[in-house]
Amino acid sequence: NAGVTQTPKFQVLKTGQSMTLQCAQDMNHEYMSWYRQDPGMGLRLIHYSVGAGITDQGEVPNGYNVSRSTTEDFPLRLLSAAPSQTSVYFCASSLRDGKFEKLFFGSGTQLSVL
Amino acid sequence: SQQGEEDPQALSIQEGENATMNCSYKTSINNLQWYRQNSGRGLVHLILIRSNEREKHSGRLRVTLDTSKKSSSLLITASRAADTASYFCATETGGGNKLTFGTGTQLKVEL
Repeated sequence: NAGVTQTPKFQVLKTGQSMTLQCAQDMNHEYMSWYRQDPGMGLRLIHYSVGAGITDQGEVPNGYNVSRSTTEDFPLRLLSAAPSQTSVYFCASSLRDGKFEKLFFGSGTQLSVL
Repeated sequence: SQQGEEDPQALSIQEGENATMNCSYKTSINNLQWYRQNSGRGLVHLILIRSNEREKHSGRLRVTLDTSKKSSSLLITASRAADTASYFCATETGGGNKLTFGTGTQLKVEL
């Protein structure tokens, strides 16, 4: 199993550009989520999904869209990138069956918005 | 807002010494988890302790939870250079797997 795979690893955007960060997992996990990590602030939840067709907002959802058409994939879309979205983005997944399960993280995408 | 705050922010010790990191949180939790992050990498789960547990062990790791004080500690015994990393506590409060992470402790273990 590859686990949680994120692409790309690095990306530079200009203000106003759009892009999609890809996340895929091969563990048949129902729960998937996106976090951003900024220096001194830990990780903050952007969006999450408890299963295909179901998504919800986290702590910092503004400027980001998500969809979950399959169990495996959970892409994060930046519609109009802003410098404040410069960050490292992590996708994470876990089983969800009424239990409290650990998160499996991808290796991250480092995004710079100029 | 941050749920968990780690203390200290940075810790430097010699190989073989024990490292203790503390985490305080604000609201009632269902469970608390500790994660490790090596530089430039994703987070890796270390240990989970439920709200009705007070202490848990996993190898060289010992985690305690005091729900009355809303705090947890992570002890790494006989530290190694390979333990050099950032350590984060994360709390689960509302059901499901939405974790709220603290700001982390940077641990450096020197030879």
